[in-house]
Amino acid sequence: EAQVTQNPRYLITVTGKKLTVTCSQNMNHEYMSWYRQDPGLGLRQIYYSMNVEVTDKGDVPEGYKVSRKEKRNFPLILESPSPNQTSLYFCASSPNGLAGWTGELFFGEGSRLTVL
Amino acid sequence: GQQLNQSPQSMFIQEGEDVSMNCTSSSIFNTWLWYKQDPGEGPVLLIALYKAGELTSNGRLTAQFGITRKDSFLNISASIPSDVGIYFCAGRTTGANSKLTFGKGITLSVRP
Repeated sequence: EAQVTQNPRYLITVTGKKLTVTCSQNMNHEYMSWYRQDPGLGLRQIYYSMNVEVTDKGDVPEGYKVSRKEKRNFPLILESPSPNQTSLYFCASSPNGLAGWTGELFFGEGSRLTVL
Repeated sequence: GQQLNQSPQSMFIQEGEDVSMNCTSSSIFNTWLWYKQDPGEGPVLLIALYKAGELTSNGRLTAQFGITRKDSFLNISASIPSDVGIYFCAGRTTGANSKLTFGKGITLSVRP
């Protein structure tokens, strides 16, 4: 089944404790992206990647890191989480990268993160 | 930066009614997309529009790409309970810095 898989789906952690949210897609998509969803603010892009080894900042990159060493994986790293990073996080992928990106995204099921 | 305006934040309709949602911007977009998020899940693409004036249907859903390229609307006809969810519009610019911008979403509730 074609899908975007995120782990963990739920996590409660404490301020300053490094964590990684993994994202994997099995559709051979070039484009991958991370969003956070907060009440009243909609979906805001954190980082995106047009292809392997190519990453760029979205609208709210502060406090986050990403890497794209393989096509299928795009982990989101919070080096020192803070309470304002409590949110619902979505990973998304899209078939085309630099050549012909259409904006059509396939989303994962989300990872709800709480930072105490 | 670019912003997409969706309002109101919430809509309440009766089962069987039609509903229309607008998405407007002061910026021009080359693609308009509509996504739906079911409770507890990730957004799913409903309709994508690529050309100004384009009108596209997907079952009970109809969406249009505005002529000015600064707006789009989504119509849902004969609503059913499973239409409940958050509806996001998104606009895409093209070029070297192609970017997808999301609206804040409209939460739709359907009363049986």
